[in-house]
Amino acid sequence: KAGVTQTPRYLIKTRGQQVTLSCSPISGHRSVSWYQQTPGQGLQFLFEYFSETQRNKGNFPGRFSGRQFSNSRSEMNVSTLELGDSALYLCASSPGQSTSGYTFGSGTRLTVV
Amino acid sequence: QQQVKQSPQSLIVQKGGISIINCAYENTAFDYFPWYQQFPGKGPALLIAIRPDVSEKKEGRFTISFNKSAKQFSLHIMDSQPGDSATYFCAGGSGGSYIPTFGRGTSLIVHP
Repeated sequence: KAGVTQTPRYLIKTRGQQVTLSCSPISGHRSVSWYQQTPGQGLQFLFEYFSETQRNKGNFPGRFSGRQFSNSRSEMNVSTLELGDSALYLCASSPGQSTSGYTFGSGTRLTVV
Repeated sequence: QQQVKQSPQSLIVQKGGISIINCAYENTAFDYFPWYQQFPGKGPALLIAIRPDVSEKKEGRFTISFNKSAKQFSLHIMDSQPGDSATYFCAGGSGGSYIPTFGRGTSLIVHP
């Protein structure tokens, strides 16, 4: 069974640009969540999508947005990049009815210069 | 989201020693308590999980101890190995919440 796939693995962007990250969940999983991870800050929850609808949202500015497609694949977009957006962005998928089966991808390492 | 408080923030253990990481939760609706292990450059991976109907669960060298009345649970790593060096996250979850509530993580270093 394939795991959670995130692309690209690494990305370097310039301040002010925008970026789109992609996440393909485990087959059959309908929920996809996104996290930002920076050194010493743990896992900061961005948002969760279930059946193409944003079901939960963390405390991030509106520059961070996402969407989910009918095949459960999800994308996350960050506009007007700032240096502080440099981080490992993780997505996690689950069947969506509870917190069991929550599985992370390997992440996308975003560097903003 | 209700907090899950994790301690210590960092831990250094000698090879063969016991590593202990503690977590405390507030939300009494939590009914699922997973631990995740994360190596540098990788995403967290489920290590072991427990439900509150048991007080202990063991898988190899990894044991979760659970104290429902104190709302605390802990991860014990017996005979710690350098390959166990990673960041460990505890979490609480429930059927009413679709997203686990994570602790802030513990960076474990096991010296050879």
